[in-house]
Amino acid sequence: DAGITQSPRHKVTETGTPVTLRCHQTENHRYMYWYRQDPGHGLRLIHYSYGVKDTDKGEVSDGYSVSRSKTEDFLLTLESATSSQTSVYFCAISDGRGNYGYTFGSGTRLTVV
Amino acid sequence: GIQVEQSPPDLILQEGANSTLRCNFSDSVNNLQWFHQNPWGQLINLFYIPSGTKQNGRLSATTVATERYSLLYISSSQTTDSGVYFCAVLNNAGNMLTFGGGTRLMVKP
Repeated sequence: DAGITQSPRHKVTETGTPVTLRCHQTENHRYMYWYRQDPGHGLRLIHYSYGVKDTDKGEVSDGYSVSRSKTEDFLLTLESATSSQTSVYFCAISDGRGNYGYTFGSGTRLTVV
Repeated sequence: GIQVEQSPPDLILQEGANSTLRCNFSDSVNNLQWFHQNPWGQLINLFYIPSGTKQNGRLSATTVATERYSLLYISSSQTTDSGVYFCAVLNNAGNMLTFGGGTRLMVKP
């Protein structure tokens, strides 16, 4: 979607390797989120950020870390990828000011082999 | 946490038909949103509707917060309406958007 981009769009990696996914926004929104989408589980929140260097855990945060050194970038890192982390990862942004409408990126399909 | 349930899980329509999708949630919420995930996986925000009724073309949504449900109406359905429709609610702390399991819609020509 316009204003939010994810990279890479697709990635295949081996078990045990580190992986970093990037979310970049041009909307200057305060809030950024990482979700994963899996069959039978819908979308689940991994981590979110409410400002530069301000992050917190979501419901499925084990095995993931995040960083936000600039307003526009939110990075998701898998320190040591496992097959259970094969999923589609979505980044989202919101302005958090009254209207909490979320805008989602196009997703990153990650396969851990 | 908040539980969000959507019904029906699957729906097949003939082009031109109307439909109603339902979302029930277990607690009071500040914020309810409807999304459409198209066959290419893109999530599009349809409505931000914590209460009341909104309309956008052939789509409309109604949320009755006191009774903890929301409805999405699709009129004169088109094949491009196919995909998965998600309802999502924001907790009162404002830090977690919880999604329902979705309604998978297929519109046949």
